[in-house]
Order: sequence, then structure tokens, then C-alpha cells
Amino acid sequence: SYELTQPLSVSVALGQTAMITCVGNNIRTKNVHWYQQKPGQAPVLVIYRDTNRPSGIPERFSGSNSENTATLTISRAQVGDEADYYCQVWDASTEVIFGGGTKLTVL
Amino acid sequence: QVQLQESGPGLVKPSETLSLTCSVSGGGSITRYYWSWVRQSAGKGLEWIGRIYLSGSTNYNPSLKSRVSMSIDTSKSQLSLKLTSVTAADTAVYYCTKCDYGDSGMDVWGQGTTVTVSS
Repeated sequence: SYELTQPLSVSVALGQTAMITCVGNNIRTKNVHWYQQKPGQAPVLVIYRDTNRPSGIPERFSGSNSENTATLTISRAQVGDEADYYCQVWDASTEVIFGGGTKLTVL
Repeated sequence: QVQLQESGPGLVKPSETLSLTCSVSGGGSITRYYWSWVRQSAGKGLEWIGRIYLSGSTNYNPSLKSRVSMSIDTSKSQLSLKLTSVTAADTAVYYCTKCDYGDSGMDVWGQGTTVTVSS
């Protein structure tokens, strides 16, 4: 079955750039979606199909997907960006799969 | 825009069946979209349970497939989830979600409903 691996935690200094990775075998062949989840709230889609931002998501959020790693990049990180972030793909064998999630801390 | 609201019993006894409903408002016909159920145990990550689309086609997480069923009631604009033979491991927050199409990302989530499995 297909698996997605994310780092448990990422820290970034206020105003700097955070990069959260999502590793999967040949992930470049899949559409990767990213979700932000703040404590006590439902997840919110922040990037869909690798690089697209839904309306209302700041331009500071961007995505990329290459070879075996997809990356969510958050520029000019703010305290309000502190959250858990999950990547997700669809795979023919396992259907919808989520990564284990990454806790972003803004220092 | 589409809004989702989950509802159902907050407490289910072990070995019984968990039944949840998701009410859909806004956004036109319920059969236009793909609808998934996702759950999250306390302090854990997201787990996809399954999805329903068109007028009732379904895909289920292989690990839950033997216990899950989903349905759509177009007259009431409601989705339903049933999970049989529950155990404490099924205790979680359950979310319903919307996708515009099969692999577009879940762009709308309900607020979630907490289900505890306990005697």
C-alpha cells in the first residue's frame, strides 16, 4: 500500500520561510493536496493539485511536487500559521491517503 | 457555498453500530460532488473512511471496508455513515467533506462530531 511520510515537527522563525515535506514513492505522478488544522478546528484545504491555492488562502502558501517529495512552503511565517499540516493523495490501491501530519511552530 | 453539518449519537456501545448523518446545504444538487468521511482520534492524524459520489457509488478504506456503509438521501440532502461492530478504537471526531471531483482535494469540511465508544 502507498505511504506518505511527513516530519513530525517543523520550526520556523517569525517572518521566515517554512518548508514541510511529504515523501512518497514517485509522488510526482500524483496530485498532492495540503490541509491546515488548528487546535479544535476542522482541517482547511490550503493547496490542491500540487500548486493551486483555494480562494481565500494567502499567496504566502505555495506547493511543489517533484520526484519523491512534495513540499508545502509558507513564506513570511506568522504566529497564525502555527498548526498541523497534512498532505493527501489518491492512490489506486489505497484510495485516499493522508500523511501523518506535521506540527508547525513559529518561533 | 456548500456547508456541512454532522450529527449523531455522541456515545455508542462496543459491538454496536455507529450511525452518523451529514446535512448538506447550499451548492446545488448533492449528486454533483464527491463526499468523504474522515475521522481523527484524539491527538492523532486524519484517517479516510470512504467516499460516496454520483447517485451512490462508493469507495471505502480497505482497512474498514468490511464494517462501513455510506448512502445518500437526495430528497433530504443528507449523507449517512454506518460503521458496524465498533470498538474503543473507533472513538474519534468524524468529519464529512466535499470534493468537487474525484481527486480535487477536500475543499469543504463539516465542523466534526465526536463519537465515543464506551459501555
